[in-house]
Amino acid sequence: DARVTQTPRDKVTEMGQEVTMRCQPILGHNTVFWYRQTMMQGLELLAYFRNRAPLDDSGMPKDRFSAEMPDATLATLKIQPSEPRDSAVYFCASGLVVGGNAEAFFGQGTRLTVV
Amino acid sequence: AQSVTQLGSHVSVSEGALVLLRCNYSSSVPPYLFWYVQYPNQGLQLLLKYTSAATLVKGINGFEAEFKKSETSFHLTKPSAHMSDAAEYFCAVSYGNNRLAFGKGNQVVVIP
Repeated sequence: DARVTQTPRDKVTEMGQEVTMRCQPILGHNTVFWYRQTMMQGLELLAYFRNRAPLDDSGMPKDRFSAEMPDATLATLKIQPSEPRDSAVYFCASGLVVGGNAEAFFGQGTRLTVV
Repeated sequence: AQSVTQLGSHVSVSEGALVLLRCNYSSSVPPYLFWYVQYPNQGLQLLLKYTSAATLVKGINGFEAEFKKSETSFHLTKPSAHMSDAAEYFCAVSYGNNRLAFGKGNQVVVIP
């Protein structure tokens, strides 16, 4: 059963620490998305990659967030330094995007709490 | 910018009653449309999608949605609510630029 795997599921960290979230997309998918979910803002697109190349990261605070795909089986989202306002659930999703049909399969998320 | 509107953050429905969740999109360009469901502490799961093949789309768990271009709508329905339908439901749109934009979501509560 193919699925998107995210680690860790939960992370509690102190303000100022570096946080790294990892995602293993579904094999064969060409697009990876990072979303952030909060009560106030709902689901926000942070960044997405196509064939491992970043297509759009305009949703990310550039000074502290970075997203990479070192290889086809791993996507990472880093926050350095972390702040309490970064507390949220971060979702990775992958999809086989053809002709603009951006159907996405979601992981179970990383719940980040910055204290 | 592409966007979807979902009205009413919380929707209460009696068990066995019709579930109706409204979604309107903003564009004159036919989009790709999706409905996702999120159960507590889970990721989003695709319920159904519209990709211009048919205006009435059937999804999982007895849900269906109808694309109405004249109303720019893609409302989600289920004839008879079940307790297991309690979850949050998101409408999403893509206009062919690989971006998937989500509505604010509807939290569905099923009353026994």
